[in-house]
Amino acid sequence: NAGVMQNPRHLVRRRGQEARLRCSPMKGHSHVYWYRQLPEEGLKFMVYLQKENIIDESGMPKERFSAEFPKEGPSILRIQQVVRGDSAAYFCASSAFEPINNEQFFGPGTRLTVL
Amino acid sequence: AQTVTQSQPEMSVQEAETVTLSCTYDTSESNYYLFWYKQPPSRQMILVIRQEAYKQQNATENRFSVNFQKAAKSFSLKISDSQLGDTAMYFCAFVLTQGGSEKLVFGKGTKLTVNP
Repeated sequence: NAGVMQNPRHLVRRRGQEARLRCSPMKGHSHVYWYRQLPEEGLKFMVYLQKENIIDESGMPKERFSAEFPKEGPSILRIQQVVRGDSAAYFCASSAFEPINNEQFFGPGTRLTVL
Repeated sequence: AQTVTQSQPEMSVQEAETVTLSCTYDTSESNYYLFWYKQPPSRQMILVIRQEAYKQQNATENRFSVNFQKAAKSFSLKISDSQLGDTAMYFCAFVLTQGGSEKLVFGKGTKLTVNP
């Protein structure tokens, strides 16, 4: 049973470009979470999605950031017009059940570098 | 406020010795789960141990154990017989459940170095 998959593992963008980060949850998982880790910091929650629905986006910056989890295919975190401050590691996690404090399984992360 | 505080940015220990990492948290929830995650240089987040707040017995996983003090909102991690492979960042976290949402709240981490 494959774990949570994220790609690309490393992504380099110039300021003003778009970044697309993909996450495939574990088989059978229908809940996806995105977290951002700035250098020397812990992970910070960004958004929680279920299939075709955004449940909680309270941690997402109001502009330039969006996320989706379509019925088919991976979850996508999209950052438009990237700036140097977006450089970070972005982690995806997935879980199987309704929010009853189940474990979240993490992917290996995507390290975004903005030049 | 829903926060996690790890007061030790860095720690070191000699191989085979025991080390304890501190964590305090603040939540208004009455029932919740607490976690310790390990992040080695590969940056993969690995669950080390979990504790359900309604259980008084401290969780144990092989060389890893916790000291959970609910009234004090303290959740420390003890690593016995430290190994070189334990060198990593360690993050304390709890699950915050609000309005149908669920998210992990993390501390800033403790960098642990195990010396040969």
